[in-house]
Amino acid sequence: KQEVTQIPAALSVPEGENLVLNCSFTDSAIYNLQWFRQDPGKGLTSLLLIQSSQREQTSGRLNASLDKSSGRSTLYIAASQPGDSATYLCAVRHDTGKLIFGQGTTLQVKP
Amino acid sequence: NAGVTQTPKFQVLKTGQSMTLQCAQDMNHEYMSWYRQDPGMGLRLIHYSVGAGITDQGEVPNGYNVSRSTTEDFPLRLLSAAPSQTSVYFCASSLQGPPYGSPLHFGNGTRLTVT
Repeated sequence: KQEVTQIPAALSVPEGENLVLNCSFTDSAIYNLQWFRQDPGKGLTSLLLIQSSQREQTSGRLNASLDKSSGRSTLYIAASQPGDSATYLCAVRHDTGKLIFGQGTTLQVKP
Repeated sequence: NAGVTQTPKFQVLKTGQSMTLQCAQDMNHEYMSWYRQDPGMGLRLIHYSVGAGITDQGEVPNGYNVSRSTTEDFPLRLLSAAPSQTSVYFCASSLQGPPYGSPLHFGNGTRLTVT
């Protein structure tokens, strides 16, 4: 059974820091992995989608990497800003088709 | 471009009542799905559809029905509400369903309380 884990559950950093969020999964038979952002009381916003054949994807200050063999993905946020404060979730598309979510990392960036 | 629209945003029901949560998308997406989000449980798939006229069960389908008569709409019906169905419900869609794995787009959610 595919399990997706995000550690830490919460993270607080000062503005300007570069930071890394972690996502691990137990079954490497995946089609892709997607990172989302969720603001309080809102839905999820897609940040980056990495196909299983890719190693990384970049969008602005965000960079996501994928290592299927080790069952890990990281989301790198450069020069963090208070507006980056949100909960970040990763989701793995298993080859059964199901999308399995992690529990999320709640990030607070302090001014 | 409205994206994925969910109504209502908030709803309070009494045990045993029925209701329909509405979801509509204007992106011509084939794949649509319903999730519920609960503290400590993460997001769990209720039902999904890979196209008009086709639906299937997810991880937690009991107590819910869906139909997909058009590409745009994917309503979720609670047949007889129970307190265990208190949750935040999200509708999500993507251009193609599994296994193609195009990005998933979410609505803003419906917060449901069952007393």
